[in-house]
Amino acid sequence: GDSVTQMEGPVTLSEEAFLTINCTYTATGYPSLFWYVQYPGEGLQLLLKATKADDKGSNKGFEATYRKETTSFHLEKGSVQVSDSAVYFCALSPAAGNKLTFGGGTRVLVKP
Amino acid sequence: DAGVIQSPRHEVTEMGQEVTLRCKPISGHNSLFWYRQTMMRGLELLIYFNNNVPIDDSGMPEDRFSAKMPNASFSTLKIQPSEPRDSAVYFCASRGLAAGVGELFFGEGSRLTVL
Repeated sequence: GDSVTQMEGPVTLSEEAFLTINCTYTATGYPSLFWYVQYPGEGLQLLLKATKADDKGSNKGFEATYRKETTSFHLEKGSVQVSDSAVYFCALSPAAGNKLTFGGGTRVLVKP
Repeated sequence: DAGVIQSPRHEVTEMGQEVTLRCKPISGHNSLFWYRQTMMRGLELLIYFNNNVPIDDSGMPEDRFSAKMPNASFSTLKIQPSEPRDSAVYFCASRGLAAGVGELFFGEGSRLTVL
């Protein structure tokens, strides 16, 4: 079945550092890919998405490119802020179907 | 616009008691999802509804769990009897008809502790 694998956290870094969170997936066909963010005490929020190969999703300074050849959707941000401290979830939805499959989440802690 | 509203935000109960979690989706959304989040298992989809009809409940752990959606603006997730291993954060999410499959709006969750 479909699955999403993320790097385990926590990831701790200093303000203005570069952030990368790795995400790879297993799915048949051409799924859509997503990054969700969960701030402390809140529900998940959609951060960005990509629906086909080579698409780049971007939002709030975060970017991720849908790489079909490596089945990856790594999240990057060039200069993180303390307010980016959160748990980040990679997810996929199949080409046909209604379910969203989440990775295990990666906790990011940005220190001033 | 109000987001997805869940209640209660926190619930502490004793083993064997009945627990009812409630969800009000975003007005106009036609799909509703119940997820459970634990440290050990991450985010698990329990059940989802389209147009108030349960479509897939394969994630419901066992017969102690049941979910209903009597109308487009309300859903419940019931656990009876509750057990300590049911302790988790339960999220409700909704999706609009025109949205992509993965574009869910989540509530803030209901944190359940079963003693």
